[in-house]
Amino acid sequence: KNQVEQSPQSLIILEGKNCTLQCNYTVSPFSNLRWYKQDTGRGPVSLTIMTFSENTKSNGRYTATLDADTKQSSLHITASQLSDSASYICVVSRGENAGNMLTFGGGTRLMVKP
Amino acid sequence: DGGITQSPKYLFRKEGQNVTLSCEQNLNHDAMYWYRQDPGQGLRLIYYSQIVNDFQKGDIAEGYSVSREKKESFPLTVTSAQKNPTAFYLCASSPRVTIEQYFGPGTRLTVT
Repeated sequence: KNQVEQSPQSLIILEGKNCTLQCNYTVSPFSNLRWYKQDTGRGPVSLTIMTFSENTKSNGRYTATLDADTKQSSLHITASQLSDSASYICVVSRGENAGNMLTFGGGTRLMVKP
Repeated sequence: DGGITQSPKYLFRKEGQNVTLSCEQNLNHDAMYWYRQDPGQGLRLIYYSQIVNDFQKGDIAEGYSVSREKKESFPLTVTSAQKNPTAFYLCASSPRVTIEQYFGPGTRLTVT
């Protein structure tokens, strides 16, 4: 069964601290893995997309890693800001020939406190 | 939210009524999607369309219907057959199905 599991479900950190969010997947075949940021009551916004051959990709203070062998990804947030408070969603794509091609994780809800 | 608009932002309906959610994009994207999001759960695909006049069922299509008469528009109708319609509905679009999707702001539907 194609699944994407994220941990932790929720996280509270102090402003300025770093944090790492985890994503494990069993989706097959694998095309790419995406991290999205979703503010409460808004649509998700893409942070990074990584294909099988990419181990790491950065977008400002966000750095995503991918280990395709162990089927694990992480999203590291450096020097957190209050505006980082949101849900972070891991999404795995099976490619356009796989019909329903995206599997979404349940998200990690991050709260950054002053 | 890019060039994707969803309206209205909040929608209230009585049980047994059909309701149509609007989704419009001006990004010239071929593919459009409808997702449902429930608290603590991942987004689930309802329908998607790769091209005008064509659409495919997703994981949870029962109780929903769509049309794609224009490239820019992909309305979703929640019918009375949908057993638990209260949810946050997200529309998305992409140039092709494998390319990054851009999401709209969402519509929160409450059925009582």
